[in-house]
Amino acid sequence: EPEVTQTPSHQVTQMGQEVILRCVPISNHLYFYWYRQILGQKVEFLVSFYNNEISEKSEIFDDQFSVERPDGSNFTLKIRSTKLEDSAMYFCASARDGNYGYTFGSGTRLTVV
Amino acid sequence: AQSVTQLGSHVSVSEGALVLLRCNYSSSVPPYLFWYVQYPNQGLQLLLKYTSAATLVKGINGFEAEFKKSETSFHLTKPSAHMSDAAEYFCAVSHPSGSARQLTFGSGTQLTVLP
Repeated sequence: EPEVTQTPSHQVTQMGQEVILRCVPISNHLYFYWYRQILGQKVEFLVSFYNNEISEKSEIFDDQFSVERPDGSNFTLKIRSTKLEDSAMYFCASARDGNYGYTFGSGTRLTVV
Repeated sequence: AQSVTQLGSHVSVSEGALVLLRCNYSSSVPPYLFWYVQYPNQGLQLLLKYTSAATLVKGINGFEAEFKKSETSFHLTKPSAHMSDAAEYFCAVSHPSGSARQLTFGSGTQLTVLP
């Protein structure tokens, strides 16, 4: 079964550093998403991406965050200057269209120290 | 705005007993509803989804859920729990209009299965 692949599985970074989280969505999917889950809390929507642009973003997705689909296969989330409160599990997801449940990746655990 | 409430952050059942995980939603239009399962240190796996077809939805691993509009509920059930069902379960709602949809998740229910 096709999978959404996320790398790395775990990233440790120092506060103030830039991080890029990488995702390879399922190849025929058109919608792409980032969600995050702070330890012990809800899964929260960050951003959706369709037709090479952001469709929606949440209040969490401020100027420190950006997304890119640089080469038609990868989908990246960049955090420019990480803060301690950015520590979370970040999930990438993709969907074939808007009517179906997403396929989530296994996540990247980001730890900011 | 959409919201999801999962009653009971922790549910314990004995192996072989009925599993019932509760989910109530709030949505101004007919929603699409989902249940996801998360095993320790893993991602979110789709168990089942309701997208305005049959109100009783069957999913993987013997789980099913029934959409009840009058009760705004989408409870998840399984007739007989297995030890391998121990995990965290998330109910989510998606608005059916617009281009790229957004999922709103409930707080999750941790299921423990006792031997």
